[in-house]
Amino acid sequence: DVKVTQSSRYLVKRTGEKVFLECVQDMDHENMFWYRQDPGLGLRLIYFSYDVKMKEKGDIPEGYSVSREKKERFSLILESASTNQTSMYLCASSLSRVGNQPQHFGDGTRLSIL
Amino acid sequence: AQKITQTQPGMFVQEKEAVTLDCTYDTSDPSYGLFWYKQPSSGEMIFLIYQGSYDQQNATEGRYSLNFQKARKSANLVISASQLGDSAMYFCAMRSYNQGGKLIFGQGTELSVKP
Repeated sequence: DVKVTQSSRYLVKRTGEKVFLECVQDMDHENMFWYRQDPGLGLRLIYFSYDVKMKEKGDIPEGYSVSREKKERFSLILESASTNQTSMYLCASSLSRVGNQPQHFGDGTRLSIL
Repeated sequence: AQKITQTQPGMFVQEKEAVTLDCTYDTSDPSYGLFWYKQPSSGEMIFLIYQGSYDQQNATEGRYSLNFQKARKSANLVISASQLGDSAMYFCAMRSYNQGGKLIFGQGTELSVKP
């Protein structure tokens, strides 16, 4: 069965810290995605990757960066955390970028920046 | 621009009744797919159903069906025989061929099933 694992369910950090959110998938998927979810706004794409060492900006990349050194792992980095980055972060992976293949999601990380 | 709109922030339904969750979309791409996801309070996103823009028939998966009206650009989710476990957030999402696999999500609808 498909499994996307995010390293933390809950995380509390301080303003200005560098924060790492880790995501691992065990399905050999090439495509991986990071979203943030805020009430009333749905999910918004931060960054995505179609291959190892490849990354593309999504709709809201400011204040974030990503790393994909291995196919199964996609990390989201908050370079200098700010309170407006308090949110739910969801990682996803997919087998294909077209057709009926859905994105499979992790359980999410609820991040609070104090 | 690509856009997904869910106009119902919250809905209530009586247990065992059917409910329709609305979703309209906007795209100029002739090739696209529509997805519905369920998000319980625990947070995980669960894929429910998919409809392709060229599919001739409405998609069905168990108690879930999709009322796809291409000319009206709507893709409403119908849940039949609601159960208490259906209480959750529901998201409509679209992926178009020209957008390279990115999903665009609506704002979500919170469904509450009453016993």
